[in-house]
Amino acid sequence: AQSVTQPDIHITVSEGASLELRCNYSYGATPYLFWYVQSPGQGLQLLLKYFSGDTLVQGIKGFEAEFKRSQSSFNLRKPSVHWSDAAEYFCAVGLTGGGNKLTFGTGTQLKVEL
Amino acid sequence: DTGVSQNPRHKITKRGQNVTFRCDPISEHNRLYWYRQTLGQGPEFLTYFQNEAQLEKSRLLSDRFSAERPKGSFSTLEIQRTEQGDSAMYLCASSLRGQANEQFFGPGTRLTVL
Repeated sequence: AQSVTQPDIHITVSEGASLELRCNYSYGATPYLFWYVQSPGQGLQLLLKYFSGDTLVQGIKGFEAEFKRSQSSFNLRKPSVHWSDAAEYFCAVGLTGGGNKLTFGTGTQLKVEL
Repeated sequence: DTGVSQNPRHKITKRGQNVTFRCDPISEHNRLYWYRQTLGQGPEFLTYFQNEAQLEKSRLLSDRFSAERPKGSFSTLEIQRTEQGDSAMYLCASSLRGQANEQFFGPGTRLTVL
């Protein structure tokens, strides 16, 4: 069965610093990969997605992610974090087939220090 | 507001009672998903519909859970004889049919079983 691992439960960065959130997946083929953000009291919002093609994908709010097949990773990055980026971030895998149901990681809680 | 809506936003109930949640997807979306999110975890897939047909159910969906989407528009999720372990956030998402299509999430219904 597919699985997603987000090894960092909590991350704290200073405003203006760079950010990298890690995500590793386990799946027999190349899955569809997503990063979502969840703010308190809000639903999940899609930041970016990878299906095929260029392995570096750009998303909203200045985020990007790089798919590395050899490492089964899809890490999320941002060059300069803003205080409003504080939230919980989820990496997810969508299967190729099966209605595109998503399997999520356990999330990384990002705190931004001013 | 043309996003996914869920009602109620919060529900507190006593163990053994039945509860029903409603999800109104984005109007043109033919797929609708239910997920459950417990504290400190990512969302877990429960079930999904394509139009009015329920095409897949997770093993997480015990016999006490039932979901419907009678006219291919809104959906309801009912939990019978609630247990304390049912306490969670229940998330609804919708999308257009197709692997590459984004799932748009609602704000969720937070259930607390006393």
